[in-house]
Amino acid sequence: DQQVKQNSPSLSVQEGRISILNCDYTNSMFDYFLWYKKYPAEGPTFLISISSIKDKNEDGRFTVFLNKSAKHLSLHIVPSQPGDSAVYFCAASLEYGGSQGNLIFGKGTKLSVKP
Amino acid sequence: EPEVTQTPSHQVTQMGQEVILRCVPISNHLYFYWYRQILGQKVEFLVSFYNNEISEKSEIFDDQFSVERPDGSNFTLKIRSTKLEDSAMYFCATGQTQNEKLFFGSGTQLSVL
Repeated sequence: DQQVKQNSPSLSVQEGRISILNCDYTNSMFDYFLWYKKYPAEGPTFLISISSIKDKNEDGRFTVFLNKSAKHLSLHIVPSQPGDSAVYFCAASLEYGGSQGNLIFGKGTKLSVKP
Repeated sequence: EPEVTQTPSHQVTQMGQEVILRCVPISNHLYFYWYRQILGQKVEFLVSFYNNEISEKSEIFDDQFSVERPDGSNFTLKIRSTKLEDSAMYFCATGQTQNEKLFFGSGTQLSVL
């Protein structure tokens, strides 16, 4: 039962261009969403989050968009840099302020940014 | 930047043996979690721990699993009798408050033979 889906296992982008990573979810009760980045041999690193009361959150080169009606969120990285090459995980939580630590992860998308 | 430390980085064990995975949380963090990732699959929640007790656990976290903070600093995950299907990367994560992002350790790769 995949409550959080990342349908693209991999994405390749040229340096300087925009990277768009997509995530879909099935549970309308999710109210907090996060993106984590993972390098090989390291644990996931928090990147950016968004609560369900917003539709956009921006932090530097990273922007997360949330479309609740479509149960879809996306992470935009612009401009993409070779150091952004990693696996990106989308995660969702059932209750902001409640079980926030119980994150439901997607399978991840491996981003490769080519110089 | 403060980090979550996990030991060992790799653990190989025989089926049926007990293993203890260790985590040193970030010092002012109060919320502790274990996650695991089986090769090729998603990262899965196992258990959350706050105020010296389990606050939530998944169906994966059965009677073979236990967690504790024996000395107030280390946070451990014990698997009493390991099975082949327990082979995975186990991540410890900690947070300062319940609303905050989680900080993950680098993981312990457990291989059950």
